[in-house]
Amino acid sequence: GAVVSQHPSWVICKSGTSVKIECRSLDFQATTMFWYRQFPKQSLMLMATSNEGSKATYEQGVEKDKFLINHASLTLSTLTVTSAHPEDSSFYICSADRAPYGYTFGSGTRLTVV
Amino acid sequence: AQSVAQPEDQVNVAEGNPLTVKCTYSVSGNPYLFWYVQYPNRGLQFLLKYITGDNLVKGSYGFEAEFNKSQTSFHLKKPSALVSDSALYFCAVNTGGFKTIFGAGTRLFVKA
Repeated sequence: GAVVSQHPSWVICKSGTSVKIECRSLDFQATTMFWYRQFPKQSLMLMATSNEGSKATYEQGVEKDKFLINHASLTLSTLTVTSAHPEDSSFYICSADRAPYGYTFGSGTRLTVV
Repeated sequence: AQSVAQPEDQVNVAEGNPLTVKCTYSVSGNPYLFWYVQYPNRGLQFLLKYITGDNLVKGSYGFEAEFNKSQTSFHLKKPSALVSDSALYFCAVNTGGFKTIFGAGTRLFVKA
């Protein structure tokens, strides 16, 4: 079946540093990928829609300069949390458009900023 | 291992009929259960969630879901389907921590 590999699964970083999260479709090409954020017991919040070869579309309230999204190829999208702060600690998950079959989720990344 | 199962890849219903999209889960601890809907080229949209309390949860667009602890199920229901309900539906489980597990999704087709 279609697999989306998300890496790392867990990362701890110091406040002020940047962290890159990768989302890779292993056996299909994904023109569109979505990035979500979740806090415990809360629903996922869509952060941005990433389209290969173009700028990401950010949801209202999401800082595009803080959450940099790059979708340079049909199999890879990256989310970089720049100058991370403790309030950025969260669970980040991507999903890839596996048209026409649906969407496949990555396994998620738990970010802890200390 | 923790998992979420949506046993049906596709559900077909006629407009005006009741619909059910099934979800069962296997997790340790108390589950926090969610339903999301996704339309083509759009991100997930939150429908409803169960955290605690009343087993019948009401959500957006007339959807509801019933938490059944003994059967470890959280089926999504709607009394009268609309053509506009046609979409992809995902069940998800969070155990209170930072990780969410998704079902594979069920495609709902509502025929006029």
